[in-house]
Amino acid sequence: EVHLVESGGALVQPGGSLRLSCAASGFTFAGYAMSWVRQGPGKGLEWVSTISGTGGNTFFADSVKGRFTISRDNSKNTMYLQMNSLRADDTALYFCAGPRVTGPAAMDYWGQGTLVTVSS
Amino acid sequence: EIVMTQSPATLSVTPGERATLSCRASQSVRSNLAWYQQKPGQAPRLLIYGASTRATGIPARFSGSGSGTEFTLTISSLQSEDFGVYFCQHYYNWPRYTFGQGTKLEIK
Repeated sequence: EVHLVESGGALVQPGGSLRLSCAASGFTFAGYAMSWVRQGPGKGLEWVSTISGTGGNTFFADSVKGRFTISRDNSKNTMYLQMNSLRADDTALYFCAGPRVTGPAAMDYWGQGTLVTVSS
Repeated sequence: EIVMTQSPATLSVTPGERATLSCRASQSVRSNLAWYQQKPGQAPRLLIYGASTRATGIPARFSGSGSGTEFTLTISSLQSEDFGVYFCQHYYNWPRYTFGQGTKLEIK
């Protein structure tokens, strides 16, 4: 059974940094691109970033480009989101998500999310 | 960026009746369209991918249709556990996913 478990969310001041982790199990982690999706309080879903299975290709939403980086350690079955220069509008529940198949695909698997609050 | 627009914003349906949710893309996404259900305090759950294929374990009362720019999610006989918010999402220019703003389905 596939499990995705996020961690690292916290209360952080504007301009601060935070690193989120997503621990995966139950599938061949290195074989699949993985993504971060966030949901602001009372809001909809927003794609944040995706990393290829090898880690060689990364993609970002315009709203986080230049401030966030994504990485993965396939030996640990873990994906990361390094968030710098945090702003109030980055406040959200951050989900990691992954597909059941390779290539362009929907997000079959989701973690329960980790909460990031940016406030002074 | 492809913009996804869902309607209505809120839908109230009596159990046993049909619920029809719509999603429109600002340009063609072919059949690269998914639907998700989200309940309060939970992660989204994939219902439909490829516009019309049910995900594993999804009941047959859920069906998806459409291609190009117009899509529909139909729940044929609404059950009380079907309340929640439903999101459409395209993956046409993967991985630059975009989601619709959601339709809140209320049980009347």
